[in-house]
Amino acid sequence: NAGVTQTPKFRILKIGQSMTLQCTQDMNHNYMYWYRQDPGMGLKLIYYSVGAGITDKGEVPNGYNVSRSTTEDFPLRLELAAPSQTSVYFCASSYPARGRVGGSGTDTQYFGPGTRLTVL
Amino acid sequence: GENVEQHPSTLSVQEGDSAVIKCTYSDSASNYFPWYKQELGKRPQLIIDIRSNVGEKKDQRIAVTLNKTAKHFSLHITETQPEDSAVYFCAARSYGGSQGNLIFGKGTKLSVKP
Repeated sequence: NAGVTQTPKFRILKIGQSMTLQCTQDMNHNYMYWYRQDPGMGLKLIYYSVGAGITDKGEVPNGYNVSRSTTEDFPLRLELAAPSQTSVYFCASSYPARGRVGGSGTDTQYFGPGTRLTVL
Repeated sequence: GENVEQHPSTLSVQEGDSAVIKCTYSDSASNYFPWYKQELGKRPQLIIDIRSNVGEKKDQRIAVTLNKTAKHFSLHITETQPEDSAVYFCAARSYGGSQGNLIFGKGTKLSVKP
């Protein structure tokens, strides 16, 4: 298994440009997440998805959009890039949390390698 | 919602010494507490986790303790080695209105000096 993969690894955008960060996992995980990591800070949840066709906002969703048309893919869209969106973006996936309705398996979140985005 | 505080932000130890990182959480309903290690330029990776029905868990040189009453949990690394140098993040799972998303602390940069 390749696990969680992300593209691109690096990207520089100009203010106002748009782009899509790609995330794919081959572990058949239901849950997928997008985080951003700013220097000296922890991981902040942007959006998450509990399955194909279902997405929801995390802590910091403004300026982003997501879709989940398949179990494998969870792209993150930036419509009008701003300097405040300069960050490292991590995608992650997991099985349903143990103890939840329909949940089984591990709670471990598996992270992709990240995308370093700079907005100038 | 859940809030996770992590201390210290930086920690420097001599090789062979022990390192302790502490986290506190605010939501008494949280029941899952993982620790992630992130090496420079790499992705976070789970190193150990603990659930609220257990007070301590060990895995070789790494251990995690949980005090539910005080709402704090700690990571203990014994016999530290240079390869332990990394940023460590604690997290707590808060159900709230979500599906059990993790709330992360801000991280501790551990430096192990040879």
